[in-house]
Formats: sequence, structure tokens, C-alpha cells
Amino acid sequence: DVKVTQSSRYLVKRTGEKVFLECVQDMDHENMFWYRQDPGLGLRLIYFSYDVKMKEKGDIPEGYSVSREKKERFSLILESASTNQTSMYLCASNDQGWNTIYFGEGSWLTVV
Amino acid sequence: GDSVTQMEGPVTLSEEAFLTINCTYTATGYPSLFWYVQYPGEGLQLLLKATKADDKGSNKGFEATYRKETTSFHLEKGSVQVSDSAVYFCALIFDNYGQNFVFGPGTRLSVLP
Repeated sequence: DVKVTQSSRYLVKRTGEKVFLECVQDMDHENMFWYRQDPGLGLRLIYFSYDVKMKEKGDIPEGYSVSREKKERFSLILESASTNQTSMYLCASNDQGWNTIYFGEGSWLTVV
Repeated sequence: GDSVTQMEGPVTLSEEAFLTINCTYTATGYPSLFWYVQYPGEGLQLLLKATKADDKGSNKGFEATYRKETTSFHLEKGSVQVSDSAVYFCALIFDNYGQNFVFGPGTRLSVLP
């Protein structure tokens, strides 16, 4: 089975803190994604990566950055957390090609 | 651009009722189509998929048929259970690199005992 693991399920951070959300996949997938999920807004793509050190902006990249130093790991970084970044964050991965995307269990971030 | 439209929720049913959640899509070609399910507090899980016209995806008693002529991929189940209570997302992908997924807004299903 494909496993996408998000290191933190629940986090509470203060405004202005730097926040790291980590994601690891065990299937050697080329593509990795970070989504944000908010009530009434569905899933919105923040960034994705199609290879090590490669990244592309999604629909809502402002206030976020990402890092992919190893193929299996994709990190989402909030340089200076703000209260409007309180949300559920979902990591996902898949192979290149018209293929199923696999999600982690999500990270609930609260910024106070 | 490509888009997915799902029926508005929430949908509330009694146990053993028949379920249909409508999904239609707009795409310039022939995408692959998916249904994902999200149980409370969890990430999305693949429920079923179909990659070409007239394909039927099925899993756990759920079914959906890829209808090119009506650009639809409606989710059905003959007899729902309380454990089916979740949010259901219709999605499509239409590229050769697996990068451009389009998700519908999700439909919340509540099944009452």
C-alpha cells in the first residue's frame, strides 16, 4: 500500500512563528503536492513538485514556500504564520502519468 | 478551463437507502475520473476511478460509470450504512504528468440509523 505520512497531525503556533510541515511518501513518486482545505472552499493547491529541487506554484502560494531536497520528502514552510493560515493541510503524491493521487491524513494547524 | 461540479450537500439519508451523488465535468478532452472519500478528521482516500468512456469503477458497494456523452460520473450505492457518512469528492485529471488534478467542492453525506 502507498503510504503518505505527515509528521504532525495537530499543531498550535503563534502568529509570526516559522512553521514546518513535513511529508514523506514511500512509493518513489515523482510528484508531490501540498493542499489546503477550508470549509466551503474545498481543496486548494498551494505548491507541487515534480522532481527533487523542482517546484511549481499552485493556486494559493502566497505566504508559503516549499522544499524538496530528497525525492521522498516534501516540506511546506510558513515563513511567518498568520491567523488566516489556520487550516487543514493535506500532502499528496503520485507518479507522473494519469495516475491516482494518494493523500496523507492531514495536518491541522491553528495559528493563535 | 477544466472543472468539476457536484451536487450541493449536505445529503441526509436513512440507513439502507439508495444513494446518488451527481458529478459532471467540463474538460476539453477525455480525462480520468475519480471519487475520493474523506472520513471525519482524515485525509482523502481513493474510492474508485475510471480512465475511459463507459468504464465502471466500483469499490465497497459504490459504483460510478464514466459517461462521455453526458460528461458525468455519478456515484451510486444501493444501500448505505452509517459508516458511509463522510465527504465525497469527485475529481478529474487531464494531463500526461499527473499534476493537474481538479477536485469538486465535495458533498457531505450523513446516514442516520
